Formats: sequence, structure tokens, C-alpha cells
Amino acid sequence: AQSVTQPDIHITVSEGASLELRCNYSYGATPYLFWYVQSPGQGLQLLLKYFSGDTLVQGIKGFEAEFKRSQSSFNLRKPSVHWSDAAEYFCATEYGNKLVFGAGTILRVKS
Amino acid sequence: AAGVIQSPRHLIKEKRETATLKCYPIPRHDTVYWYQQGPGQDPQFLISFYEKMQSDKGSIPDRFSAQQFSDYHSELNMSSLELGDSALYFCASTTGQGDTEAFFGQGTRLTVV
Repeated sequence: AQSVTQPDIHITVSEGASLELRCNYSYGATPYLFWYVQSPGQGLQLLLKYFSGDTLVQGIKGFEAEFKRSQSSFNLRKPSVHWSDAAEYFCATEYGNKLVFGAGTILRVKS
Repeated sequence: AAGVIQSPRHLIKEKRETATLKCYPIPRHDTVYWYQQGPGQDPQFLISFYEKMQSDKGSIPDRFSAQQFSDYHSELNMSSLELGDSALYFCASTTGQGDTEAFFGQGTRLTVV
């Protein structure tokens, strides 16, 4: 079955520092990949998605992600983190017309 | 812009009671998904509907049932509630026509005491 793995449970970065959240997928063909953000007690908001084409995907809130087939990765990046970015981030892939989520990475931002 | 609406936002029930969660998809979205997110867990797929028919089923207990109505809203019915059913229940909707971007509601937080 298609799945995604997020190896980092927690990440702490300083405000203004760059951020990279890791996501690895397991699928032979080109997967559909997504990054969602969830603030405490809130729903899931789509940051960006990759279906095909340009491997560097721009999303909302200044986030971007790069699809690297050679590394089976779809890492989320942001050049300068703001305190309001503190949340939990989920990588997801589509499998059988439904989303399969990774375990999530909790981002803490220190001032 | 209209989003996915879930009601209620919070629900407290006792063990062995029943609960009904409602989901109103984005207008013209004909596909609805239900997910369950336990404390500190990632969302787990429960069930989905396309054009009022069940399209897929995940790890949904037999105590739970769901349906999609003619106006495309969906209801998740949960009976004989257990403490372990306490979770955040999300609904998501899509057009189901090659558009795989799912829009999520804010969820219903169910607490079973």
C-alpha cells in the first residue's frame, strides 16, 4: 500500500530561521503528494500539492516543497519561519481515492 | 468562499450512548470523506461516499454507520460509544472528478465520558 513517512516527530526552530520538514513516500509510480497544516484543535489546511510536472511546488504562507524521485522524498521548506507557523504538519499521499497521512511533525518556534 | 461545515463542533457523550455527526460539503462537491484523529495521532480514513453511494471503507467499526443524502450532506452515526471513540472527526469533500484536492472541515471533537 502507498504510504508516507515523516521521520521527525518534533522540530524546534528559531523565529526567522529556515525550516525543512521531511517526508518520504513509498510508491513506484509518480504519487500524488500533499502537505497539510493543523493548528491545535483546528482542521487540516492544504499548504501545497504535487501531481506531476515541475518538481518544485509553491504553496501558501511562503511554503514550498520539492519532489525528488531519486530520494523518494517530498520535503517541505520555508526560508524564514514565523511564530505563527507553530503547528503540526502532515504529509499525505493519495491511495485508492483517499488520503493517507504520515504521523505528523510538530513544529515549535522559539523566539 | 464556502467551506466544509461540520456540526456540532464539540460533543460530549456518555459510554453506550449514540452520536450523530453532520457534514455539509462545499457546494457542487459530490464526494465526502470521514476521518478519525485520535489524540496525538494522524487522521485515519473511515469511509467515503460518491454521489450518495459508499465508495470506500477504511477502519470504521461496525458500531458506526454513515450515509450521504440527496443534498450531498453526510452523517456519521456512532452507537454504543466507547471511551476510545473520543477523537476529532473530520469530514472532507471533493468534486470526485479527477480533482483530488480535499477540503477539510474544522472537525467535530467527540468526548466520551
